[in-house]
Amino acid sequence: SAVISQKPSRDICQRGTSLTIQCQVDSQVTMMFWYRQQPGQSLTLIATANQGSEATYESGFVIDKFPISRPNLTFSTLTVSNMSPEDSSIYLCSVSFGTGRSQETQYFGPGTRLLVL
Amino acid sequence: AQKVTQAQTEISVVEKEDVTLDCVYETRDTTYYLFWYKQPPSGELVFLIRRNSFDEQNEISGRYSWNFQKSTSSFNFTITASQVVDSAVYFCALSERTGANNLFFGTGTRLTVIP
Repeated sequence: SAVISQKPSRDICQRGTSLTIQCQVDSQVTMMFWYRQQPGQSLTLIATANQGSEATYESGFVIDKFPISRPNLTFSTLTVSNMSPEDSSIYLCSVSFGTGRSQETQYFGPGTRLLVL
Repeated sequence: AQKVTQAQTEISVVEKEDVTLDCVYETRDTTYYLFWYKQPPSGELVFLIRRNSFDEQNEISGRYSWNFQKSTSSFNFTITASQVVDSAVYFCALSERTGANNLFFGTGTRLTVIP
């Protein structure tokens, strides 16, 4: 496994603004992912953060709303743009050590609790 | 299409009781992976176990045990002698080989252990 940290741990934001969430891992990982967990709901994959290239987004999520960066093997950011109250969620980063060709266990960060007013 | 069903939304038990959390899955892949995660009130998702579709052996880890039955597409989780610290939301998840790394989560079961 790995030690995964996220910043900020929580934030309260005004609608129309943007927030960038950071995910830092203490060792190099192959895969990094971003999930959203809306209040009382399960987790939904937003995108796979690819090192050095554009992220791979799941259906229903677009780059303009959730731009993602991954400059190296230990760090990624997710930006929630032009926020509305519907974006209030927990955003979780996860990592795996797999090759990308086979499923490996994903380990999750502590999450970022976002409230949009 | 893949699907994970956790029919129990909330369960309450008294401390030291045993409790079983149900998970039923659907997939067309012959190779797939099943997971259980625990989410305590702090919000962090804690990995508990991973099971490959070709390994139906049940597993025991301390007070935790898992029963994988391919015939019924179930992967149930039992906590023996429950403790207050077991109070959390538990998620069952499925990953298909053809779906790269996408984890499909069930809706979770909130377990409350009453002292």
